[in-house]
Amino acid sequence: ILNVEQSPQSLHVQEGDSTNFTCSFPSSNFYALHWYRWETAKSPEALFVMTLNGDEKKKGRISATLNTKEGYSYLYIKGSQPEDSATYLCAFDAGGTSYGKLTFGQGTILTVHP
Amino acid sequence: DTGVSQDPRHKITKRGQNVTFRCDPISEHNRLYWYRQTLGQGPEFLTYFQNEAQLEKSRLLSDRFSAERPKGSFSTLEIQRTEQGDSAMYLCASSFTGGSPLHFGNGTRLTVT
Repeated sequence: ILNVEQSPQSLHVQEGDSTNFTCSFPSSNFYALHWYRWETAKSPEALFVMTLNGDEKKKGRISATLNTKEGYSYLYIKGSQPEDSATYLCAFDAGGTSYGKLTFGQGTILTVHP
Repeated sequence: DTGVSQDPRHKITKRGQNVTFRCDPISEHNRLYWYRQTLGQGPEFLTYFQNEAQLEKSRLLSDRFSAERPKGSFSTLEIQRTEQGDSAMYLCASSFTGGSPLHFGNGTRLTVT
């Protein structure tokens, strides 16, 4: 059973704060690491798919880094806004015969207070 | 791109009844996935398809669960003899290929009373 852990479980920040959270995953048999944002009453939305060690991706105020050798990824949000409030999920793809099948972490619930 | 649609959005059923959910993926997507999510947990893998072929089914899934994807288009997930522990959000997702980002539907929330 693959272990994908996210921390913290929840986070409350003030509007304008920058924040980051962590996803840890097995460092062996790595194929890809996904990040998703899940807003209340909506469906999860893909943010990034990362495949290379040292990879860094950016989308607006959100960015992510990847370290496959030590098995972790960070998601950063710069200048948080209330509309950033959501659950952020990471998901690990071990590749091989099951490539594309994702194992999700439990998520980090972010609340941005105006 | 009309997105992934799931039906119904909500289902309340009595313990012991059978339920069936439907998922219509994005039309050009070959991969289709079913996940289950309970409160405080991330989505848990149930099964996935490449076109009409079911590639894998979670070992955690009992024989009461079955999924089909006839002709590689829409998919159905059936739960027989429902139990209270089956209460969850059932999410369907599709992707163009393995390794591509998943596109999720809005889910079907099942409540077993």
